Amino acid sequence: AQSVTQLDSQVPVFEEAPVELRCNYSSSVSVYLFWYVQYPNQGLQLLLKYLSGSTLVKSINGFEAEFNKSQTSFHLRKPSVHISDTAEYFCAVGGDDKIIFGKGTRLHILP
Amino acid sequence: DAGITQSPRYKITETGRQVTLMCHQTWSHSYMFWYRQDLGHGLRLIYYSAAADITDKGEVPDGYVVSRSKTENFPLTLESATRSQTSVYFCASSESTFVRVTEAFFGQGTRLTVV
Repeated sequence: AQSVTQLDSQVPVFEEAPVELRCNYSSSVSVYLFWYVQYPNQGLQLLLKYLSGSTLVKSINGFEAEFNKSQTSFHLRKPSVHISDTAEYFCAVGGDDKIIFGKGTRLHILP
Repeated sequence: DAGITQSPRYKITETGRQVTLMCHQTWSHSYMFWYRQDLGHGLRLIYYSAAADITDKGEVPDGYVVSRSKTENFPLTLESATRSQTSVYFCASSESTFVRVTEAFFGQGTRLTVV
């Protein structure tokens, strides 16, 4: 069985400050890991993914996440956030035949 | 158009009625999923399908029925709608590597209100 824990339901951060959104997973098999973003009143879009290879993966808009197998974590980071990053972020784990999502973290950018 | 489409986008129904949410994908992805999104619960998996005529229960299947007679369609039916099924429903599709499912591509969602 797979599960995902996102430790923070909301994260407030000032514009241009760094941010980290935490994600831990559990699985009895090796997995793929994903971060999705949902902007207000929209569907979900893939932000980045870890399938294999380098444990540090990056998105085109400055986010990065690092797969840490020993800590079963896949935390999302950005060195400097912008108001346009206001959204809900979901961590997800892909196993043999399904993808399980965490409860999401709302990122609030403060001016 | 290529992609994954859900219909209707919005639906209001009465308690006890049967309602079907439609999902169609044009990529010929083998896997399809139904999730519901509720405040405080994130996305919860209702049912999923690995191929035509193969379906399985997810985390919250009670009160829902699915079928998949064709690879591209994966309808979700609420047999007798209840207020607790008021939610936003997302359909998704995915391919798989030899060993596991890759990223899911989502439809725009159906906002269902049961009154």
